[in-house]
Amino acid sequence: ELVLTQSPVTLSLSPGERATLSCRASQSVSSSYSAWYQQKPGQAPRLLIYGASSRATGIPDRFSGSGSGTDYTLTINRLEPEDSAVYYCQQYGSSFAFGGGTKLEIK
Amino acid sequence: EVQLVQSGAEVKKPGESLKISCWGSGYSFSDYWIGWVRQMPGKGLEWMGIIYVGDSNTRYSPSFQGQVTISVDKSINTAYLQWSSLKASDTAMYYCVRRDNFGWYFFDYWGQGSLVTVSS
Repeated sequence: ELVLTQSPVTLSLSPGERATLSCRASQSVSSSYSAWYQQKPGQAPRLLIYGASSRATGIPDRFSGSGSGTDYTLTINRLEPEDSAVYYCQQYGSSFAFGGGTKLEIK
Repeated sequence: EVQLVQSGAEVKKPGESLKISCWGSGYSFSDYWIGWVRQMPGKGLEWMGIIYVGDSNTRYSPSFQGQVTISVDKSINTAYLQWSSLKASDTAMYYCVRRDNFGWYFFDYWGQGSLVTVSS
């Protein structure tokens, strides 16, 4: 069973800073099968990144993804207050899996 | 515009049955997989299972196999998630999701969620 571990669990940064969120898989997965989602309170999650590094429609270029094998990263540049949310990674091995999430707070 | 519209909130007692729905519009419903994702109160996302609308080919997460049933009625563009006997631990928000159609294995559209509360 594929297990995804996200770190840090919480992250508190100031506007204008850069956030680096990590997702580690328990086994190697294809980068084509790696995605990131953003969930704000009271809302459904929203797709940010797919294929490890491709931005979904309408996602600002402040958001970028990278990684391969077992280690994947979501980077958010020039943080804005609206980026406060929980971010989830998702991978596909023989089935779908989500990480536990990283809560990003913009001070 | 692609939309997944889910049925409303439900309050049920333990042991009762329930079927929630997800109606898709704005795209060719039969050509895509529709999945379900659970989010328990204050917790993360859990993938439950997925169904290919075209032929009803269904796959479940081992954690949910035998606990729920996923089905679809493509004539009315609607997917379903059902329980035969609810437990208090089924209390959660449930999202339907559309899987991409290009072999990338991500969820590009999400329903608004259906809140299920199970309490005696």
